[in-house]
Amino acid sequence: AQSVTQLDSHVSVSEGTPVLLRCNYSSSYSPSLFWYVQHPNKGLQLLLKYTSAATLVKGINGFEAEFKKSETSFHLTKPSAHMSDAAEYFCVVGLGTYKYIFGTGTRLKVLA
Amino acid sequence: KAGVTQTPRYLIKTRGQQVTLSCSPISGHRSVSWYQQTPGQGLQFLFEYFSETQRNKGNFPGRFSGRQFSNSRSEMNVSTLELGDSALYLCASSSGGRTSTDTQYFGPGTRLTVL
Repeated sequence: AQSVTQLDSHVSVSEGTPVLLRCNYSSSYSPSLFWYVQHPNKGLQLLLKYTSAATLVKGINGFEAEFKKSETSFHLTKPSAHMSDAAEYFCVVGLGTYKYIFGTGTRLKVLA
Repeated sequence: KAGVTQTPRYLIKTRGQQVTLSCSPISGHRSVSWYQQTPGQGLQFLFEYFSETQRNKGNFPGRFSGRQFSNSRSEMNVSTLELGDSALYLCASSSGGRTSTDTQYFGPGTRLTVL
């Protein structure tokens, strides 16, 4: 069965330190993978997506993610956190039949 | 290009009433999906429309329904509202290809409160 697991419901980092948000997936297909960000009371904004091209995907606002098939992971990273990065982040798996599975979200807190 | 718009942004209803939410997709996009977001259940898929036809459906009761018009605008309706229907309802549009490499673009959502 297809699924996506975000391993941390909450992550706290200090401003200027690296960010790591973890995502593992399970899929029978070669998956499409997405990371979205949601700021309070806003819709979801696409950060980046993987569609079987380069395994290291660069997104907006300095975020990137690496697809590791052997580990079935698609972790999101950023070298240096900014206060404006505080938000909720969703890892999403796209299935072959135009369906998407959303992770439960990771709330990122950035400390001054 | 204008983004996905949803109206209204906020709604307050009482139990038993019905409500209609509207979504205008990005110009040229033919697929519209609806999601319900609550603190307890997270993001749950309601249904997806493509070219005026429901193509996918989530596990929600029949009180939740939708439709899509020829201009790709979509509405969703919830009848006989329950307290548990209080949520942020998100609409997403995409070009509508048959694969899941399509990117979904989300609107700001409609916050529904049921009293």
